[in-house]
Amino acid sequence: EVQLVESGGGLVQPGGSLRLSCVVSGFTLSAYWMDWVRQAPGKGLEWVAKIKGDGSVKYYSDSVKGRFTISRDNANNALSLQINTLRPEDTAVYYCARATWINDYWGQGTLVTVSS
Amino acid sequence: DIVMTQSPDSLAVSLGERATFNCKSSQSILFSSNNKYSLAWFQQKPGQPPKLLMYWASTREAGVPDRFSGSGSGTDFTLTISSLQAEDVAVYYCQQYLTIPITFGQGTRLESK
Repeated sequence: EVQLVESGGGLVQPGGSLRLSCVVSGFTLSAYWMDWVRQAPGKGLEWVAKIKGDGSVKYYSDSVKGRFTISRDNANNALSLQINTLRPEDTAVYYCARATWINDYWGQGTLVTVSS
Repeated sequence: DIVMTQSPDSLAVSLGERATFNCKSSQSILFSSNNKYSLAWFQQKPGQPPKLLMYWASTREAGVPDRFSGSGSGTDFTLTISSLQAEDVAVYYCQQYLTIPITFGQGTRLESK
């Protein structure tokens, strides 16, 4: 059974940092691109970042470029998102999703709240 | 960026009736390698992650009931629920996955009348 489990969210002050993790099981992580997608409270879905199976190619949305870094540890079945210089508008549930072409499996998400 | 625009923003349909969701892309999302449209539909219920319903515009994901169907071409796409069930009440999103940045429509909220 494919599973994705995010962790690392929490309350952080503006300008702060967090590291989100997504541990996967039920499939070979290295064979898949992976995405992070976020959803602000009561709002729609926003794609954030994508990483190739071997970690050699990364893409970011303009809204997070230069502040967020996506990475992966295939040996430990883990995907990460380092989020720096947080802004109130980064407040959202952050989902990891399997992403070779199609986001067919999603985690339950982890909530990041940016507030003073 | 490819802008995805959904209509209507909300929809109220009686149980057993048809529900139709529209999604328009600001430019072509045709993937030339397979001549299919890079368009997915997701269903999201409160407190849950999105669930993939449809991809390549008209391919139903495994396990999705056949009352859900997808169609469209060019820049206009449709998701149809042929006979609304109570468990279908949710928000529905379209997504283009042809180019980076991947973009979603704003969502259509489906309610039971």
